[in-house]
Formats: sequence, structure tokens, C-alpha cells
Amino acid sequence: QVHLVQSGADVKKPGASVKVSCKTSGFTFTNYEISWVRQAPGQGLEWMGRIVIYNGNTNYAQKFQGRVTMTTDTSTSTAYMDLRSLRSDDTAVYYCARQHCTSSSCYAHIDYWGQGTLVTVSS
Amino acid sequence: DIQMTQTPSSVSASVGDRVTITCRASRGISSWLAWYQQKPGKAPNLLIYAASSLQSGVPSRFSGSGSGTDFTLTINSLQPEDFATYYCQQAYSFPVTFGGGTKVEIK
Repeated sequence: QVHLVQSGADVKKPGASVKVSCKTSGFTFTNYEISWVRQAPGQGLEWMGRIVIYNGNTNYAQKFQGRVTMTTDTSTSTAYMDLRSLRSDDTAVYYCARQHCTSSSCYAHIDYWGQGTLVTVSS
Repeated sequence: DIQMTQTPSSVSASVGDRVTITCRASRGISSWLAWYQQKPGKAPNLLIYAASSLQSGVPSRFSGSGSGTDFTLTINSLQPEDFATYYCQQAYSFPVTFGGGTKVEIK
């Protein structure tokens, strides 16, 4: 079975950084792409970016360019999302999510999600 | 970026009703559209991809249609477990964008 298990909730002060981990199992990690999506309290879904695992290529939403870094550790099948210069409006649940891939192509829709990590930014 | 507009933002319905949710893209996305269901405190769950393909394990009362800019999610014979929020997502190009969501509530 496919599993994406994220790190626990975190509280940060404005200006700090947070690093969320996403440990995966049940599939060949390097054959897939991982997106990160966040959801502020009571709000909708916001895509932050994605990483192509086999080569490390990334695409970030313009809104997060310069503040976010997505990486992976293929030895542990774990993806990471690092967000810097945190502000109060970064308070949200952050999800890692596996994009759907076949033997020949990957697609931008998401077939498996992590359980979410609540990041609270407060002084 | 491609903007996704979902309507309505909320709908009240009864068990057994048919519910239709629409999603409009700001420009053509062919059939690169997905639909998700999200329940409170849970991650979203993929229902439909490629506009009309039912994800494995999803009940057949869910169906999707459309292409280009206009898409529809239909839930036939609404069940108690279907009361949730639904999101569309364009999968045509990065950045991926989501609709604002439609909350299906109990009438």
C-alpha cells in the first residue's frame, strides 16, 4: 500500500523557517513526482510546487519563489519542503502529495496525499 | 496562471438528490481536469481525473464531464458520506491551480 507519512505539527515565530518531511513507502520513489499543497484554516487548496524525484528538478509557484525549497532523500524515500521567512499568513496545513505516474509519463493530478502537517506561525 | 472558478460555493441537498458542481477554466485545458473530495480534518481524495475517468475505488454515482474550459462533477443519489467539500484542479500546466471549492451541505 502507498503511504505518505508527514512530520508532526510545528509552531514557529515570524521570520523563522520550517522544514516538513514526508516519508513514503509502497511505491518506487524515484519513478514519481511529489507536490506540496497547503491549506490555510477554513480556506481552499493552494499548490506550492513540485519536485521530479529522479532528477531533482523543481517547479515552484511564483508566490513562493525564493522562500521555498523542495528536496528529496532517495535513500530513505523521503521528501522535504523548507519554507523560510515565515509570516502569520503562512499558518496552514501543509500536504505532501504524490502525482499520478504511469510507466511512461507523470501527470499533475494527485492520487495519494500525506496526512497533513499543521504549521502555526505566531509570535 | 490558469484561474479555476467553481460554482456554486455551497449547495444544500438531501440524501438521494442529484448534485451538480461546475468548474470553469480561464483558458482551455483540454481534458486535464481532476476533482477531489475533502472531509473536515482530512486530506483531499481523488475522485475523477482526465475530466471523466473515475479513480479506482470511487463509487460510480460520481461522474465528470466536460472539456476545454467548462467541466461538471455530478453526484447521483447523494449519500450521507458525500457531504463534504469538492475541489476541481487543472492539470494542464504548472502552476497547478485549484477551484475555490464547493461545500455540499445537508438540507
